[in-house]
Amino acid sequence: NAGVTQTPKFRILKIGQSMTLQCTQDMNHNYMYWYRQDPGMGLKLIYYSVGAGITDKGEVPNGYNVSRSTTEDFPLRLELAAPSQTSVYFCASSYPRQNEKLFFGSGTQLSVL
Amino acid sequence: AQKVTQAQTEISVVEKEDVTLDCVYETRDTTYYLFWYKQPPSGELVFLIRRNSFDEQNEISGRYSWNFQKSTSSFNFTITASQVVDSAVYFCALSEEFSQGGSEKLVFGKGTKLTVNP
Repeated sequence: NAGVTQTPKFRILKIGQSMTLQCTQDMNHNYMYWYRQDPGMGLKLIYYSVGAGITDKGEVPNGYNVSRSTTEDFPLRLELAAPSQTSVYFCASSYPRQNEKLFFGSGTQLSVL
Repeated sequence: AQKVTQAQTEISVVEKEDVTLDCVYETRDTTYYLFWYKQPPSGELVFLIRRNSFDEQNEISGRYSWNFQKSTSSFNFTITASQVVDSAVYFCALSEEFSQGGSEKLVFGKGTKLTVNP
């Protein structure tokens, strides 16, 4: 069981570039999430999904987009990258509800220069 | 709105010392869930414990123990006889049963960095 897999692990973007962070899970979890972690600030929810075809905004959604076409995949799209998006991004999943424990991916360290 | 406060930003101890990480939460719900996660230097996030608001029994797992007190809205985490491998950032988190908007929003504290020195 691979669990939650995120790619890439590291990425450097120039201001204004776009990219997609990939996230896939093989546990058949219905809930999936994207968090960002800034130094000393804990984790903040960007977007989440309760199942295929359903997504919703979290606490800090501006500058990001998501889609959930399958149960397994939950990519995060950054359009027009900005230095404020420099962060570590974590994808996570849970089943059957958000009140259950989260399974996290290994994270993506993104720098926007 | 729900809130989690981890007042200790950093703690440094010597191996074999006991250490307690504090977590204070705020919620208006009567049904909620509390969590602790560990983030070692390698960066991944590891689940440690989940506790619902109706279960105030303290829990012990090896050298780890958790003290849940609704009267003080606290869910503190104690490591007994700390080891170097316990060095990590520890996050406390809170999820309400029914948050505004219908989602069970999970809120994290800012974390406590624990360094255990040999």
